[in-house]
Amino acid sequence: QSALTQPASVSGSPGQSITISCTGSSSDVGGYKSVSWYQQHPGKAPKLIIYEVSDRPSGVPDRFSGSKSGNTASLTISGLQAEDEGDYFCSSYTNRAQWVFGGGTKLTVL
Amino acid sequence: EVQLVESGGGLVQPGRSLRLSCAASGFTFDDYAMHWLRQAPGKGLEWLSGIVWHSGSIAYADSVKGRFTISRDNANNSLYLHMNNLRIEDTALYYCAKARGPWLQNSFGPWGLGALVTVSS
Repeated sequence: QSALTQPASVSGSPGQSITISCTGSSSDVGGYKSVSWYQQHPGKAPKLIIYEVSDRPSGVPDRFSGSKSGNTASLTISGLQAEDEGDYFCSSYTNRAQWVFGGGTKLTVL
Repeated sequence: EVQLVESGGGLVQPGRSLRLSCAASGFTFDDYAMHWLRQAPGKGLEWLSGIVWHSGSIAYADSVKGRFTISRDNANNSLYLHMNNLRIEDTALYYCAKARGPWLQNSFGPWGLGALVTVSS
């Protein structure tokens, strides 16, 4: 069982927007700005797409955005594209100086 | 360009030890914290351990505390993970990752391509 809770799967059509939630507790997501999102395509290493709740590394399209409310963080992908299909993982720093991950969400672009 | 290359993986029997290495290039290694993570076949991501830029602060996941030891050699731009008393459930692809800053709470990315560790008798 993962420390953070994500939906197992989400789907959307090209051009649509989807949101993936990531629920933790006040000991992790709710207590820190250190919340990140990773995208992983099959057979590839994970790629950081959002850090510190809502910041994007250079090169990540602004279609990807992050937010947080209380103990739940969210990743929104707008203007879905076929290349966005893959697995998405959230992670958070914790009050035990550890990092925890969500179980991952499989995004299908219909 | 940041490059992280893991090595040292392989097939090992339960109870034995293994040392993973991560060769870093393309950035000032001793300015950043570094981490080890893993992904079991078909499973999600698991953070294992992190070490700050000067090695003065180190953290471990509960699943590996007391068995795994992280270390770094800033002079040689290298990160290590010493794994003792390996278990079958330690079978995974092991990644090293560069943090975005010098501290453990800085998010990590990019990641290396990984080193496969298989624990089996």
